[in-house]
Amino acid sequence: EDQVTQSPEALRLQEGESSSLNCSYTVSGLRGLFWYRQDPGKGPEFLFTLYSAGEEKEKERLKATLTKKESFLHITAPKPEDSATYLCAVRNDYKLSFGAGTTVTVRA
Amino acid sequence: DTAVSQTPKYLVTQMGNDKSIKCEQNLGHDTMYWYKQDSKKFLKIMFSYNNKELIINETVPNRFSPKSPDKAHLNLHINSLELGDSAVYFCASSQVPSGSPETQYFGPGTRLLVL
Repeated sequence: EDQVTQSPEALRLQEGESSSLNCSYTVSGLRGLFWYRQDPGKGPEFLFTLYSAGEEKEKERLKATLTKKESFLHITAPKPEDSATYLCAVRNDYKLSFGAGTTVTVRA
Repeated sequence: DTAVSQTPKYLVTQMGNDKSIKCEQNLGHDTMYWYKQDSKKFLKIMFSYNNKELIINETVPNRFSPKSPDKAHLNLHINSLELGDSAVYFCASSQVPSGSPETQYFGPGTRLLVL
């Protein structure tokens, strides 16, 4: 059974205080690792897909990296609008398996 | 121009009732999914349809029956609702590209509360 573990569960940051979220995974036959952002009361919003170890993707203040066993989502100089739950998911040949998410709160 | 839409957004009902949730996507995707997100925020796959054909059924009670009238629509009918069915149900869709990971796009969710 594929497993996705995200840490920490919750992260409180001051505006401008950079930090990283971790996603460690075990999967049989990785067909992609995905990062989503979920705001309260809304559906997950796609951020990034990573496929190969060493791959990096960036979008505004977010940067995702991938190794063979984990992925990191780096938030650089966060703003209050970056507050959300960040979900990591891995895909095998069959389905997408999600972690429980990291809830990020950025204070002004 | 919503990509994946669901109705209703909220559903409050009594135990034992039967209810349906509808999902539509206008992305031209050929695969659609139902997920359940429980109170601990875990998103779990329930069903997947590809071109109206069921391809994933993740040990969901047979009180849950998905129906895909065409590849843009996937509905979820739930019989004899139980308290434990209370959750947020998300619809998603994807298109399997050649040579790239497949990305799923999610709807806004239907919040089901069984009393």
